[in-house]
Amino acid sequence: QAVVTQEPSLTVSPGGTVTLTCGSSTGAVTSGHYPYWFQQKPGQAPRTLIYDTTNKFSWTPARFSGSLLGGKAALTLSGAQPDDEAEYYCFLSYTDTWVFGGGTKLTVL
Amino acid sequence: EMQLVESGGGLVQPGGSLRLSCAASGFTFSSFSMTWVRQAPGKGLEWVSYISSRPGIIFYADSVRGRFTVSRDNAKNSLYLQMNSLRDEDSAIYYCAREAPWGATWFYSWGQGTLVTVSS
Repeated sequence: QAVVTQEPSLTVSPGGTVTLTCGSSTGAVTSGHYPYWFQQKPGQAPRTLIYDTTNKFSWTPARFSGSLLGGKAALTLSGAQPDDEAEYYCFLSYTDTWVFGGGTKLTVL
Repeated sequence: EMQLVESGGGLVQPGGSLRLSCAASGFTFSSFSMTWVRQAPGKGLEWVSYISSRPGIIFYADSVRGRFTVSRDNAKNSLYLQMNSLRDEDSAIYYCAREAPWGATWFYSWGQGTLVTVSS
């Protein structure tokens, strides 16, 4: 089974920019993996931010954007706010199976 | 208002069974595929199962295939997860999630989850 890798933790300053990445053990991540990104705060259900690499939901703050970067899926946060401190997960689609990354704990400090 | 409410979690012994439910309201349940995701205590998210709107296209994660069965009753606006031969590692919060109104996009909305604890 494919393994999806994320940075275990990252720190960003308030107002700063940070990029989270999502790699696949099978090779480069492409749009064909239909990457998703989720935000989860302690004690809460996940909230979906990005689907199909770059697409946002109506509730996704404009400061979040998705892309492909260097063979990985990427989530960029521009203008970080204290409320963005959370765990972030990516999710990739394979043939008849789907895999979450291990998550990135983002600290805004 | 669109809502997903999971229920049926609890404490069960290893080897036991449990049936989870996900009650949907505020949208046309029969038109959308559904997904189960779980999260072990202090751990990350794990995709568990998918079921299409109709007819039943179903997928399972390797970790649960042969032990778990997903089903839905569109007349009752409900999704189910029958879990048999439970193991310690099945202990987790189980979430259901629905497809987006425009289709082909998962995880449009999530329930709050139900906790399953497998322990003797």
